[in-house]
Amino acid sequence: AQSVTQPDIHITVSEGASLELRCNYSYGATPYLFWYVQSPGQGLQLLLKYFSGDTLVQGIKGFEAEFKRSQSSFNLRKPSVHWSDAAEYFCAVGGTDKLIFGTGTRLQVFP
Amino acid sequence: DAGVIQSPRHEVTEMGQEVTLRCKPISGHNSLFWYRQTMMRGLELLIYFNNNVPIDDSGMPEDRFSAKMPNASFSTLKIQPSEPRDSAVYFCASSLETGGLKLFFGSGTQLSVL
Repeated sequence: AQSVTQPDIHITVSEGASLELRCNYSYGATPYLFWYVQSPGQGLQLLLKYFSGDTLVQGIKGFEAEFKRSQSSFNLRKPSVHWSDAAEYFCAVGGTDKLIFGTGTRLQVFP
Repeated sequence: DAGVIQSPRHEVTEMGQEVTLRCKPISGHNSLFWYRQTMMRGLELLIYFNNNVPIDDSGMPEDRFSAKMPNASFSTLKIQPSEPRDSAVYFCASSLETGGLKLFFGSGTQLSVL
């Protein structure tokens, strides 16, 4: 069965610190992988996606993610977090039909 | 481009009433998705359309829920009768590609059923 697991419900970091949000997936074939961000009261916005090729993908707002097939993971990283990055982050997996979303990780940033 | 437009932004209704949520996808997009977001269950896909045709409605929770897409620029999600457990944020998203490999989300409808 297709599934996405985001083991961290809530993460708190200080502004300027590095960030890594974890995502593990279960999928029967080579997956398409995504990270979306949701600000309060808003819909989701695509940060980055992996379809094939280079396993390290760059996204908007300085985010990057690395696909590791052996670990079934697609963790999101940012070297230095800004206060405006506080939001909820969703990992998603899909093929040619539909996306399955994880339950999200809420990021809180302290000054 | 105006993006995906959903209405209303907020809906408060009483149990047993009919609720209709509306969505206008981005012009030219051929796939449309309805998601429901709750604290307990996260983001769940309810149904999606491709070229106005429902492709997968396996996520629709029960017969009280129905969705239509009469044309390429409009879709509705109806709940009849509504129940308190239907309270959630309902998102509509559209995509250029079949299957929604890049989704554009609306701002959602916050539904409260009392």
